[in-house]
Amino acid sequence: DGGITQSPKYLFRKEGQNVTLSCEQNLNHDAMYWYRQDPGQGLRLIYYSQIVNDFQKGDIAEGYSVSREKKESFPLTVTSAQKNPTAFYLCASSIEYESSYNEQFFGPGTRLTVL
Amino acid sequence: AQKITQTQPGMFVQEKEAVTLDCTYDTSDQSYGLFWYKQPSSGEMIFLIYQGSYDEQNATEGRYSLNFQKARKSANLVISASQLGDSAMYFCAMRERAFFSGGYNKLIFGAGTRLAVHP
Repeated sequence: DGGITQSPKYLFRKEGQNVTLSCEQNLNHDAMYWYRQDPGQGLRLIYYSQIVNDFQKGDIAEGYSVSREKKESFPLTVTSAQKNPTAFYLCASSIEYESSYNEQFFGPGTRLTVL
Repeated sequence: AQKITQTQPGMFVQEKEAVTLDCTYDTSDQSYGLFWYKQPSSGEMIFLIYQGSYDEQNATEGRYSLNFQKARKSANLVISASQLGDSAMYFCAMRERAFFSGGYNKLIFGAGTRLAVHP
């Protein structure tokens, strides 16, 4: 089955620690995205990648970093510089970047809690 | 300026009845896409329906239809014959062209509407 997997489902972090959230897709999609969702709010874009070895900052990139070494993988690192990292993180992918009609497919999400 | 506005934080509907979830948007671009996603309590975002800015007919997907009024910049979701499994958060989103890159780089989401379907 094609889809997007995110791991872990739940993640607990102590203050001052970096953590990495995994996102893998087997849909052969070029574009991948990371979103953050806070309670009662919509999603906000953290980073996106149009193609391997390329990525761009979204609206709330501060305190986060990403890499795109393989087409299938787009891991997100939440660094200690992120002041309020407790949130629900969603990874998404789409066929390509250039068309408005390509919907984004989402993974099941990772819920990060800072203790 | 807020790009996507969903004015209904919560909605209730009786099972088997129809319900309309409101969405208004703001853009100066002529080419854009509008999406509706469903988010059950599990958290995953499920794509429901898409409407392109140049599409002349309203989009339909099974029990979902999109009431697209371009001049009013509204893209309301209509769910017909509501089912208990429709209880979830619903998000309206817009994809517009990025100014510098020319590509469509992100979805802009509204705050969502929580729908509760009662038996």
